Amino acid sequence: GQQLNQSPQSMFIQEGEDVSMNCTSSSIFNTWLWYKQDPGEGPVLLIALYKAGELTSNGRLTAQFGITRKDSFLNISASIPSDVGIYFCAGQPRSNFGNEKLTFGTGTRLTIIP
Amino acid sequence: EAQVTQNPRYLITVTGKKLTVTCSQNMNHEYMSWYRQDPGLGLRQIYYSMNVEVTDKGDVPEGYKVSRKEKRNFPLILESPSPNQTSLYFCASTPGGGHEQFFGPGTRLTVL
Repeated sequence: GQQLNQSPQSMFIQEGEDVSMNCTSSSIFNTWLWYKQDPGEGPVLLIALYKAGELTSNGRLTAQFGITRKDSFLNISASIPSDVGIYFCAGQPRSNFGNEKLTFGTGTRLTIIP
Repeated sequence: EAQVTQNPRYLITVTGKKLTVTCSQNMNHEYMSWYRQDPGLGLRQIYYSMNVEVTDKGDVPEGYKVSRKEKRNFPLILESPSPNQTSLYFCASTPGGGHEQFFGPGTRLTVL
């Protein structure tokens, strides 16, 4: 099955720094989603994007749906300790019903150095 | 509280011994799905179900079975587990027409 290329695989940053990560696909998606997984838990949705070029914010998080519909970006500003975790992008090829083919990226592991 | 529950949370078993991981959701969601998470590979879909008695293969279905006899339950069955099925498994549910998947807490399976 198709996989999304997500980068970087891991990040080590200091508290207060900004974070950027991205996801690319060889095919077009109609929906892009960003999830966060805390240690020992299941992923939780952060931001959903439904239109090419769309820029959406959720607090310190901002995500963009790429114009080509083959990529998406997530930025975290002024990182704090609770931002630690694994971030996953996910793409859906059509948006008419559910997400029967939601394809996930390989994840970006964020670590904050004290 | 709206949630997806999985049992067991941790399981160590031996090759060939049939096992079932249960998944239940109390949100009346139509769509349910099973994923496995492996280092460097992210989340890969095993099977999904769009409603009662409607199931289909995901990207990595080999070695797994599922059933959807009731809307709330979607068990994952490993008839003859092998070591390469050692992984972290997640069940998820989504309301019909929605996009957000609500994930369970995960089941860590080790097959010796």
